[in-house]
Amino acid sequence: AIRMTQSPSSLSASTGDRVTITCRASQGISSYLAWFQQKPGMAPKLLIYATSTLQSGVPSRFSGSGSGTDFTLTISCLQSEDFATYYCQQYYSYPLTFGQGTRLEIK
Amino acid sequence: EVQLVESGGGLVQPGGSLRLSCAASGFTFSSHWMTWFRQAPGKGLEWVANIKKDGSEKHYVDSVKGRFTISRDNAKNSLYLQVNSLRAEDTAVYYCARGSPSNGNACDIWGQGTRVTVSS
Repeated sequence: AIRMTQSPSSLSASTGDRVTITCRASQGISSYLAWFQQKPGMAPKLLIYATSTLQSGVPSRFSGSGSGTDFTLTISCLQSEDFATYYCQQYYSYPLTFGQGTRLEIK
Repeated sequence: EVQLVESGGGLVQPGGSLRLSCAASGFTFSSHWMTWFRQAPGKGLEWVANIKKDGSEKHYVDSVKGRFTISRDNAKNSLYLQVNSLRAEDTAVYYCARGSPSNGNACDIWGQGTRVTVSS
């Protein structure tokens, strides 16, 4: 199974900050990488697919980049509604696997 | 409105069974791969199983192989997960989700989840 490792596991930031979350795959996954946002008690929400394509309706302050094994999610100019947990997921091969999550908290 | 609604969760004893259902609406169900994920209390997301548009191909995470069965009824716009021989570690919120053919099947629509608790 491909192991997905996110860092950091938690992050404190302030509204207006720029933050970056990284995700490393244990082997190459081409561009088959998605990012999800999850708020407490709610279902995950797809933010980005194919490494860098923004899902319809997602604000442009979210962006993704990377290839092969190393990927990043960047949120520019944090808004209050962005404080949540973020997960990366590879859908290159079975079993599909997620990173352990990054909890983004208000400083 | 595109929507997925899960049902069928509950409290079950170890070794017991449940049938989870996911009712789809607002889109052409038969055009999409469908997936079950789960999330144990306080833990991260885990992919459980998925099924091809016509039901001809299915994949499972190793920990549920031989115990869980994914199926679908395109005429009823419904996805199912039969969960047998349940263990404490299967306790989780189970989500169904839609794969999008336009994005390589990343799951773009998720239901609200149904909770399964395995306990004596």
